[in-house]
Amino acid sequence: QKEVEQNSGPLSVPEGAIASLNCTYSDRGSQSFFWYRQYSGKSPELIMSIYSNGDKEDGRFTAQLNKASQYVSLLIRDSQPSDSATYLCAVNGGEYGNKLVFGAGTILRVKS
Amino acid sequence: DAGVIQSPRHEVTEMGQEVTLRCKPISGHNSLFWYRQTMMRGLELLIYFNNNVPIDDSGMPEDRFSAKMPNASFSTLKIQPSEPRDSAVYFCASSWDRGRNQPQHFGDGTRLSIL
Repeated sequence: QKEVEQNSGPLSVPEGAIASLNCTYSDRGSQSFFWYRQYSGKSPELIMSIYSNGDKEDGRFTAQLNKASQYVSLLIRDSQPSDSATYLCAVNGGEYGNKLVFGAGTILRVKS
Repeated sequence: DAGVIQSPRHEVTEMGQEVTLRCKPISGHNSLFWYRQTMMRGLELLIYFNNNVPIDDSGMPEDRFSAKMPNASFSTLKIQPSEPRDSAVYFCASSWDRGRNQPQHFGDGTRLSIL
């Protein structure tokens, strides 16, 4: 079992729809959870961090964390073509210590 | 504020040559990470430093790879001798480790091609 799992996609949504990206992780001691966006040929860019159970909203982005289910998600409201990218889930803390463990990423395509 | 600065942005060299990648972390950050990204293997952590000290180098693939951090504002990743399978994008990232795990911020990467 991979430590951080994501559906590779591609996930295709129409412009204006809600995109829902999901991630599960194996270490129950994980403490910090991050979503990075990576455009083709570019570096990963931090878009959300979440540390406690529940929802955290920032503009069109909402991160959701459920530690009991070892599940973290990212919702993108009013999706735009410019949101088309690979979204990487990353986890650290617990046995990972200060290391970030990344999922393989989900490719999101927003069609206009 | 300046982000993480990596050089060179692109490197093309022949098999067997020595390659040196450079990184300047964000000022004030005390943790530095080297990653490698390929289509097949995704983003892999090679090594990370905390307060200039290597903490975990378990991701370094072979003895051909070495990394140093002589001071808080500079790190190098060296491959000697280089091989075609080392071709990848190499990212450096930094963070401020203050108990609660802080997010890492990435440089633009070095695209390495070994012929």
